[in-house]
Amino acid sequence: DVKVTQSSRYLVKRTGEKVFLECVQDMDHENMFWYRQDPGLGLRLIYFSYDVKMKEKGDIPEGYSVSREKKERFSLILESASTNQTSMYLCASSFLPGQGFCTFGSGTRLTVV
Amino acid sequence: ILNVEQSPQSLHVQEGDSTNFTCSFPSSNFYALHWYRWETAKSPEALFVMTLNGDEKKKGRISATLNTKEGYSYLYIKGSQPEDSATYLCAFISAGNQFYFGTGTSLTVIP
Repeated sequence: DVKVTQSSRYLVKRTGEKVFLECVQDMDHENMFWYRQDPGLGLRLIYFSYDVKMKEKGDIPEGYSVSREKKERFSLILESASTNQTSMYLCASSFLPGQGFCTFGSGTRLTVV
Repeated sequence: ILNVEQSPQSLHVQEGDSTNFTCSFPSSNFYALHWYRWETAKSPEALFVMTLNGDEKKKGRISATLNTKEGYSYLYIKGSQPEDSATYLCAFISAGNQFYFGTGTSLTVIP
């Protein structure tokens, strides 16, 4: 069964901490995405990557960075967590050029206190 | 930021009713349009991938149409059942390989 795995389901971090959210897919997908989901705002794209070591900013990249050192792994980094980054974070992946479905991970609920 | 709009934002229907909702997107730079179903506490799951103007797709009681010239897609559910309750997301995929999601339509089917 193909899947996208996010390392943590729930996470609580303190303001100012550096936070790593990990995502691994086993489908050999080129595209990988990080979204955050907030009530009434739907899914908003933070960053995406279409190849190893490649990254593109999405709609809301401020306060985040990403790393894609291997094709199967896409990490989201909060350099200095803030309370407004409390959210549900969803990782997804798909084949190029975007005709294939996105497959989503189960999400990480991050709370910054 | 590219605008993908879904309407209505939420919908309550009685079991057995048929319903439909809309996804509006830019008519330029179009590559594909996806529909996803997102149940509470689960990940979004793909329903349809649509690429050609005039496409119609069907899966059981759910179907979708696509008009790329005017920039909209409709999702129809015939004879709604309580298990259809979910948020339905559309995603516009641009020729530049970016996925833009709408904010979703939350459907509640009342038994």
